[in-house]
Amino acid sequence: EVQLVETGGGLVQPGRSLKLSCVASGFTFSSYWMYWIRQAPGKGLEWVSSINTDGGSTYYPDSVKGRFTISRDNAENTVYLQMNSLRSEDTATYYCANHDFDYWGQGVMVTVSS
Amino acid sequence: DVVLTQTPPTLSATIGQSVSISCRSSQSLLHSNGNTYLNWLLQRPGQPPQLLIYLVSRLESGVPNRFSGSGSGTDFTLKISGVEAEDLGVYYCVQSTHALTFGSGTKLEIK
Repeated sequence: EVQLVETGGGLVQPGRSLKLSCVASGFTFSSYWMYWIRQAPGKGLEWVSSINTDGGSTYYPDSVKGRFTISRDNAENTVYLQMNSLRSEDTATYYCANHDFDYWGQGVMVTVSS
Repeated sequence: DVVLTQTPPTLSATIGQSVSISCRSSQSLLHSNGNTYLNWLLQRPGQPPQLLIYLVSRLESGVPNRFSGSGSGTDFTLKISGVEAEDLGVYYCVQSTHALTFGSGTKLEIK
């Protein structure tokens, strides 16, 4: 059974950091590009970052560039999202998904508030 | 950046009715490798999105064949031929030809 399980969410103050993890099982993780995608409460889906199969190439939209860092450990079947300088507008449910969009995690909530 | 304009924003349908959702891109989604990376997702209430259609018109495994996708270049359509109660939720188009962009979503309600 394919699973993506995100952890690491929670309540954090503006300006602080948080690191999300997404552990994959049931498919060949190292063969897939991976995405982080977020959804603010009551809003649509927003791309946060992408990483290629070996972790050598990463991509971000302007909204998080310079603040967020995606990485992966293929030996641990895990993709990470390091989030620094968090803002209130980063409050959202964060999903990891594979490049084909056929595998999604259940999501983890991140709330940025003082 | 690619912008995907999805219409209508909301859709109300009776059981058995056929409906269509439009997704228009600000630029062609035809990749240099010949593929068009336009997918359709359904997000049911309280659930993560699930893949319905990939590469414009290919039905994901396990998805009922009342769902179909069509289009090319910048204009794409998702059609549901005979809405069922379980189809309620928000539909998103998503392109991955040029980075990654999502449409704004279409909420399908059942009358």
